[in-house]
Amino acid sequence: NAGVTQTPKFRILKIGQSMTLQCTQDMNHNYMYWYRQDPGMGLKLIYYSVGAGITDKGEVPNGYNVSRSTTEDFPLRLELAAPSQTSVYFCASSYSHDTGAGDIQYFGAGTRLSVL
Amino acid sequence: TQLLEQSPQFLSIQEGENLTVYCNSSSVFSSLQWYRQEPGEGPVLLVTVVTGGEVKKLKRLTFQFGDARKDSSLHITAAQPGDTGLYLCAGRVRVTSSASKIIFGSGTRLSIRP
Repeated sequence: NAGVTQTPKFRILKIGQSMTLQCTQDMNHNYMYWYRQDPGMGLKLIYYSVGAGITDKGEVPNGYNVSRSTTEDFPLRLELAAPSQTSVYFCASSYSHDTGAGDIQYFGAGTRLSVL
Repeated sequence: TQLLEQSPQFLSIQEGENLTVYCNSSSVFSSLQWYRQEPGEGPVLLVTVVTGGEVKKLKRLTFQFGDARKDSSLHITAAQPGDTGLYLCAGRVRVTSSASKIIFGSGTRLSIRP
């Protein structure tokens, strides 16, 4: 199984450019997430989705947009890239979201983005 | 603001030594997870603890959830170079009666010298 696949692995953007980070999962998970990880910091939730057609903001949504037209895909869009968006972006998916035993999030390998 | 503090931030020890890393908060968690992340990869779940005082073992790794469910520890016995990586704890906190969120700590970067 491929699990969670992110593309591209690396990207350099100029200030003001736009791009879409792709994420796809083949586990038929309803729940998908986008995080950013800055050096020396934990993961911050940007957006999440509980199913196709449903998205919601996380802790740090400003400057980003998402869509969820299918169960498999959850792209993250940067419209006007800024240096503050330089980070490593991780997509994750899970079968459940809020179980007492704790859900298991499966992460992609990440996209390393630099905005110069 | 709910915070998960991990300590130490960095730890470099010799192969064969024992170590403990900590995850602390003032918040009560309904569950707490430990992940390991290797360079260029996403985090991979190691364990989930749910009950206060719970202890789980994964080979040489021992995870403990505090009695009050506000803290956790990870103890590694006889560390090996393969244990090298970034260890992240993540706690689930209740936001409302029907919603919750996950908070990640900033991680402990562990290096095991051969």
